[in-house]
Amino acid sequence: AQSVTQPDIHITVSEGASLELRCNYSYGATPYLFWYVQSPGQGLQLLLKYFSGDTLVQGIKGFEAEFKRSQSSFNLRKPSVHWSDAAEYFCAVGIYNQGGKLIFGQGTELSVKP
Amino acid sequence: DVKVTQSSRYLVKRTGEKVFLECVQDMDHENMFWYRQDPGLGLRLIYFSYDVKMKEKGDIPEGYSVSREKKERFSLILESASTNQTSMYLCASSLRGLGEGRETQYFGPGTRLLVL
Repeated sequence: AQSVTQPDIHITVSEGASLELRCNYSYGATPYLFWYVQSPGQGLQLLLKYFSGDTLVQGIKGFEAEFKRSQSSFNLRKPSVHWSDAAEYFCAVGIYNQGGKLIFGQGTELSVKP
Repeated sequence: DVKVTQSSRYLVKRTGEKVFLECVQDMDHENMFWYRQDPGLGLRLIYFSYDVKMKEKGDIPEGYSVSREKKERFSLILESASTNQTSMYLCASSLRGLGEGRETQYFGPGTRLLVL
């Protein structure tokens, strides 16, 4: 069965520090992978997505993610975190031929210390 | 700019009431989705629709129904609200029907529903 796991429920980092949010997926075919961000009181916004090709993808707001097929992972990174990055982050996998259905992970809440 | 709007940001209802949550998108998207979001559980798909008058059950359809009479509008209906339906409800839309799974979903701001 398809699934997405985000092992970290809550992460706190200092402003200016680097960030890595983990995502592992289980999917039988080539995965389409997404990272979304949800700021407090808002809906979700797409950060980046991976379909094929270069395994390192760049997104908005200085984020990047690396697809590693051998580890079934799609971890999100940012070299220097800003206070405005405090939000909840969701990893998702797109399901082929099911009307654009996405399977989401549980989410990781990011807090940023001054 | 893409836009998905939901009729209410906050809603308080009583147990047993019939509740309608409305979602409208202005992007001419074929696919529309209803999720509920609960702490520690992420987003769970309730229903989705890939065309007018078409609907498919998601992972947690029990206690819910949907209606899509027009392409731009997708309604979620709680026939008889219960306290365990207290949650955040998110609507989303994406461009293609029965697609490959690559489509970006665009989300509304959510409706926080409290059932007393």
